[in-house]
Amino acid sequence: DSGVTQTPKHLITATGQRVTLRCSPRSGDLSVYWYQQSLDQGLQFLIQYYNGEERAKGNILERFSAQQFPDLHSELNLSSLELGDSALYFCASSSNRDTGDSPLHFGNGTRLTVT
Amino acid sequence: DAKTTQPPSMDCAEGRAANLPCNHSTISGNEYVYWYRQIHSQGPQYIIHGLKNNETNEMASLIITEDRKSSTLILPHATLRDTAVYYCIVRDSTSGTYKYIFGTGTRLKVLA
Repeated sequence: DSGVTQTPKHLITATGQRVTLRCSPRSGDLSVYWYQQSLDQGLQFLIQYYNGEERAKGNILERFSAQQFPDLHSELNLSSLELGDSALYFCASSSNRDTGDSPLHFGNGTRLTVT
Repeated sequence: DAKTTQPPSMDCAEGRAANLPCNHSTISGNEYVYWYRQIHSQGPQYIIHGLKNNETNEMASLIITEDRKSSTLILPHATLRDTAVYYCIVRDSTSGTYKYIFGTGTRLKVLA
């Protein structure tokens, strides 16, 4: 158990809809990262937050947004969903922002299916 | 783009050592090398990381070359449960931000 909790585990929705994925980081971790993994594809970095502030952006679509709250949990919002957004969405957390000596610890992901 | 290159696949006999190579020729002096693995569609699992010296923990050993341009992850006695995709990662610190970019990894198959 990595200590990172993601909810829900599974989500099925229709095209055009909006969903929210939730992540609770490990106790004490200040950084949260979001990744997308489509079927048989690699992990695509979406966005990183540190202590409530956005720190780095990857290949995140404009239809997607995220935030990190004062209690450090994070939410990833996906809107105007398309079939191609069907994927596993992983959250990871780490304790330190900049030293580089801080492993990421991943949750078990949310599987999103858009029909 | 990922800063590492790995062979796409490898086989290893059960009980033997699995040696997974990784090239990271553009690594910066203060950047760590991380290894993760992903079993089926589970969340990636942290294995080990290092800067310059070789590292060992209960899961694996990490050997980093002196010039730090490559490294090898060693699973000393591979089991069937070690079948997974293994990712070698160097943090990307270009453009003033820090990103952990995953490449395509090495698909390790442990054979009975």
